[in-house]
Amino acid sequence: KAGVTQTPRYLIKTRGQQVTLSCSPISGHRSVSWYQQTPGQGLQFLFEYFSETQRNKGNFPGRFSGRQFSNSRSEMNVSTLELGDSALYLCASSLRVAGVGYNEQFFGPGTRLTVL
Amino acid sequence: GEDVEQSLFLSVREGDSSVINCTYTDSSSTYLYWYKQEPGAGLQLLTYIFSNMDMKQDQRLTVLLNKKDKHLSLRIADTQTGDSAIYFCAEVPGNTGKLIFGQGTTLQVKP
Repeated sequence: KAGVTQTPRYLIKTRGQQVTLSCSPISGHRSVSWYQQTPGQGLQFLFEYFSETQRNKGNFPGRFSGRQFSNSRSEMNVSTLELGDSALYLCASSLRVAGVGYNEQFFGPGTRLTVL
Repeated sequence: GEDVEQSLFLSVREGDSSVINCTYTDSSSTYLYWYKQEPGAGLQLLTYIFSNMDMKQDQRLTVLLNKKDKHLSLRIADTQTGDSAIYFCAEVPGNTGKLIFGQGTTLQVKP
C-alpha cells in the first residue's frame, strides 16, 4: 500500500506570495491532518479534514486555509507569505472513525517551504 | 490545557539503555504516542499506550505511564547508532483527532 505523499517536496517563495501544498492520503483513509514544524515552535497542529469538512483547527491566522476533496486528497494554502512561515509542513492521514478510539496517523515526508 | 513537555537532549553509549521522559497536561487523552523522526524524514509511529495501562513492551521498547503524575517514559534497550533521531511524545486531547507534540528529544548514540 502506498504511503502518504506530499507535493512538492521543496518550495521557495518570496514574502507576499501565496502557496498551495498537496497531500494524498493512504488509500481508504478519510482523515487528513496538517502540521507545521519549525525549530522555534516545534510541531504544531494546523487543521484536520474529514469527509471534506474541517473538523478541528489549530491556532493559526486566517492566512492558513485548507480543503479536502471527495477522493480525500487535501490541499493547504498560505496567502501573503511571511518569513516566519518558513517551515516543514507535514500531512498525516488516518482512518479516523468517529468516536473514541485508537487512531494512528501516518505521516508523509513533508514539504519544506522557504520564504525569502 | 494542552501542553506536552520533554527534555531536549539525551546522549548515551551504544549498548546502553535510553530513557526519554515526557509530561502532559490533558487528562482526557485516551492514547499517548511516541514518534521518531530521522533527519530529512517525516514522523514514524514507534509505539502507543492506552491510558488505562501502566506499561507496554514492544521488543526493545518499553513505555511506562504514570497517569496520576501525567508522566510518560520511553525506554530503549540496547540502544544502537541507528536509534539516533528525534523522539516526540504526543497526546490526543479528548476525541479531537489532533496530536499535541512535545518539543522532541534528540537522542545521540555514541559508538
